[in-house]
Amino acid sequence: NAGVMQNPRHLVRRRGQEARLRCSPMKGHSHVYWYRQLPEEGLKFMVYLQKENIIDESGMPKERFSAEFPKEGPSILRIQQVVRGDSAAYFCASSPLDNTYEQYFGPGTRLTVT
Amino acid sequence: QKEVEQNSGPLSVPEGAIASLNCTYSDRVSQSFFWYRQYSGKSPELIMSIYSNGDKEDGRFTAQLNKASQYVSLLIRDSQPSDSATYLCAGGEGGGADGLTFGKGTHLIIQP
Repeated sequence: NAGVMQNPRHLVRRRGQEARLRCSPMKGHSHVYWYRQLPEEGLKFMVYLQKENIIDESGMPKERFSAEFPKEGPSILRIQQVVRGDSAAYFCASSPLDNTYEQYFGPGTRLTVT
Repeated sequence: QKEVEQNSGPLSVPEGAIASLNCTYSDRVSQSFFWYRQYSGKSPELIMSIYSNGDKEDGRFTAQLNKASQYVSLLIRDSQPSDSATYLCAGGEGGGADGLTFGKGTHLIIQP
């Protein structure tokens, strides 16, 4: 079984550019979560989505960040006008519809802003 | 705002011994708890989940939850050098799917 897939694995952007991070959940999973891990920091929850719905975006910065999970295709985390402080590892996780709520993580996208 | 606290370590344990990792949380309504292992430069890997008071065993791993004391622990028996990693404790609010709150992790070193 394929696990959670993320691409690209590494992304380099100059300040002011846009970054688009993609996540395909595990087969049979309908919940997607995005987390950010800054150097020497813990994992921080950003947003929780189901197909075509944002369920909880309480961890998303108010500006420049957005997320979607369309009916078809992967979930996308979009960062506009990136700044150096956005450099981090961005992880996507997915969980099934059952009542375990166990979240399985993808390999992550390492974003570097130069 | 729920907090999850862990001792950052490093925690050094000789090979073959029991490694004990601890975690406390500040929100009394947390319903679900998870332990993840993260190797340097890699993504978190789910080891155990626990939802009710008591112990849960899976192979060499045992998770313990005490909701009255707001305490979660992970025991690793017969520690191996390959267990050397950072262990992350995470809690979920409510009883459904939601974003997890992670501790900063405990760095475990198993000495051969």
